[in-house]
Amino acid sequence: QQQVKQSPQSLIVQKGGISIINCAYENTAFDYFPWYQQFPGKGPALLIAIRPDVSEKKEGRFTISFNKSAKQFSLHIMDSQPGDSATYFCAARQLGAGGTSYGKLTFGQGTILTVHP
Amino acid sequence: DGGITQSPKYLFRKEGQNVTLSCEQNLNHDAMYWYRQDPGQGLRLIYYSQIVNDFQKGDIAEGYSVSREKKESFPLTVTSAQKNPTAFYLCASSISNLAYEQYFGPGTRLTVT
Repeated sequence: QQQVKQSPQSLIVQKGGISIINCAYENTAFDYFPWYQQFPGKGPALLIAIRPDVSEKKEGRFTISFNKSAKQFSLHIMDSQPGDSATYFCAARQLGAGGTSYGKLTFGQGTILTVHP
Repeated sequence: DGGITQSPKYLFRKEGQNVTLSCEQNLNHDAMYWYRQDPGQGLRLIYYSQIVNDFQKGDIAEGYSVSREKKESFPLTVTSAQKNPTAFYLCASSISNLAYEQYFGPGTRLTVT
């Protein structure tokens, strides 16, 4: 059962355009929402993250928008560059999963972003 | 230079053989994780460990086993019981078990024929 649904599966954007990737969740126990960026042949790396008490977080060209009532959050990449071409994963964290005190991340399916020069 | 190392980068095995994937970290992190990545399915958690000699099953633990005898090391064994073992395997660590920022290794691509 996929608890975090990510769309689109792939995205092609022209250089300078805006890339938008969306995620939706059902589990209200999620309390931390990171985005990871993965280049081909590499492991993912944390890009930006948000907590549900904040509606927007911006770091450089990357912005997370969070809609708690709709249980949706999105990543916006402004002025997209060819170097942004990568796979992007949204994720959601739950504390106390499985009866432990541990945190556990659930990842979306990933979006392959291609930025054409 | 701190980080997570996984070896080998590519691994080939015959069906029916067990295989062990290596994961080492020198970040002094308490928590370590193993994920499996398949196209269109994101990252799925196989096992995770909070401290030495402790580990828990993730969402898809069947056919896999782990050990955590040292803080720095968290090897994953893919057993012959895993029905579809061909995948990209990622190891990660985080400073605590609260699963905030996770640092990933470069991954091992396992092909079983």
